[in-house]
Amino acid sequence: KQEVTQIPAALSVPEGENLVLNCSFTDSAIYNLQWFRQDPGKGLTSLLLIQSSQREQTSGRLNASLDKSSGRSTLYIAASQPGDSATYLCVPWMDSSYKLIFGSGTRLLVRP
Amino acid sequence: EADIYQTPRYLVIGTGKKITLECSQTMGHDKMYWYQQDPGMELHLIHYSYGVNSTEKGDLSSESTVSRIRTEHFPLTLESARPSHTSQYLCASSDLSGYTFGSGTRLTVV
Repeated sequence: KQEVTQIPAALSVPEGENLVLNCSFTDSAIYNLQWFRQDPGKGLTSLLLIQSSQREQTSGRLNASLDKSSGRSTLYIAASQPGDSATYLCVPWMDSSYKLIFGSGTRLLVRP
Repeated sequence: EADIYQTPRYLVIGTGKKITLECSQTMGHDKMYWYQQDPGMELHLIHYSYGVNSTEKGDLSSESTVSRIRTEHFPLTLESARPSHTSQYLCASSDLSGYTFGSGTRLTVV
């Protein structure tokens, strides 16, 4: 059974810091992996999708890497801003059924 | 603009009432999903559909039902709401380019 662990569970940093959010999953036979952010009481906003044949994706200040063999993904946030405060979710897709596996995420607070 | 829409955004309703949560997407995705999320907790899949006239139950048992008569529309219905149904309900659709989630419906049953 696939399990997703995100470390740290919570993070509070001053504005401007570069951040690394870590994700590990127990079953490396994933189809894709998608990073989302969720603001309190809101839906999920897609940040980056890494397909199984790729090792990383970049969008603006965000960079996500994927190492399927070791069951790890990392989200790097450069020059953090208060608007980055949210819960970040690392979500593997299991096979072509597109089934998602959710962990508890990392709650990020960026202080002005 | 391609997007996924959920209505209502908030709903407070009395016990025993029948409710329908609406979800529509403009991206032409065949795959659509309903997730349930309690505050501060993980998302749990309650229903999914891989196309018109195709619906399946998810991992979390739910008293709700769904229908998929049109590609773009995937409503969720509770025949008789109970306080235990109080939660946030998130609709999503997907294709190879990724999942897209709606803003959610926060349901409170009093």
